[in-house]
Amino acid sequence: DTEVTQTPKHLVMGMTNKKSLKCEQHMGHRAMYWYKQKAKKPPELMFVYSYEKLSINESVPSRFSPECPNSSLLNLHLHALQPEDSALYLCASSQEGTATYGYTFGSGTRLTVV
Amino acid sequence: AQTVTQSQPEMSVQEAETVTLSCTYDTSESDYYLFWYKQPPSRQMILVIRQEAYKQQNATENRFSVNFQKAAKSFSLKISDSQLGDAAMYFCAYRGYNTDKLIFGTGTRLQVFP
Repeated sequence: DTEVTQTPKHLVMGMTNKKSLKCEQHMGHRAMYWYKQKAKKPPELMFVYSYEKLSINESVPSRFSPECPNSSLLNLHLHALQPEDSALYLCASSQEGTATYGYTFGSGTRLTVV
Repeated sequence: AQTVTQSQPEMSVQEAETVTLSCTYDTSESDYYLFWYKQPPSRQMILVIRQEAYKQQNATENRFSVNFQKAAKSFSLKISDSQLGDAAMYFCAYRGYNTDKLIFGTGTRLQVFP
């Protein structure tokens, strides 16, 4: 299995809703990432988990709450989002000591906040 | 702070021809990695090619090759024998040797005409 799987592919939520995005990889990668990508822009790093511990938080608002329950799974919990949070949310993973191999990305969750 | 610049918002090429996408970066680090990623309309970021800064030899992957000029901090991507399936957004990306953070350029949209 050489994939990063993200669910759901599309999500529409109201500003008072609570939802979660899920990301899964079975490649044994030790690091997992959440990126946010607005239309026609590059991905922006939100969070990094290394060995299941949060190692980087790029000053993301608290309405985004990451969770790494185990080495294969990464969640992003969403609460009280704003319309400007509508974007493509990408998950990625990478392996310790093989940074040269780059990151493996999922196909993303297209989030619309109404 | 490191930055990555892609000065060509859009490029076009005819099928079977060769095209070069430009990327420059700024860093004070001596060890780092550079990547080119492709993002087709399907949204998934696909690793095209990677280069380790300590390697003088330019990386090559089938029809894709890079021209890495470390002193000039330049990392261009050459696509030979362009195919319709090469049409996508291409992102140049930088990662420092001791960091998990992948920094993207603004992207170049490549169109391929029959």
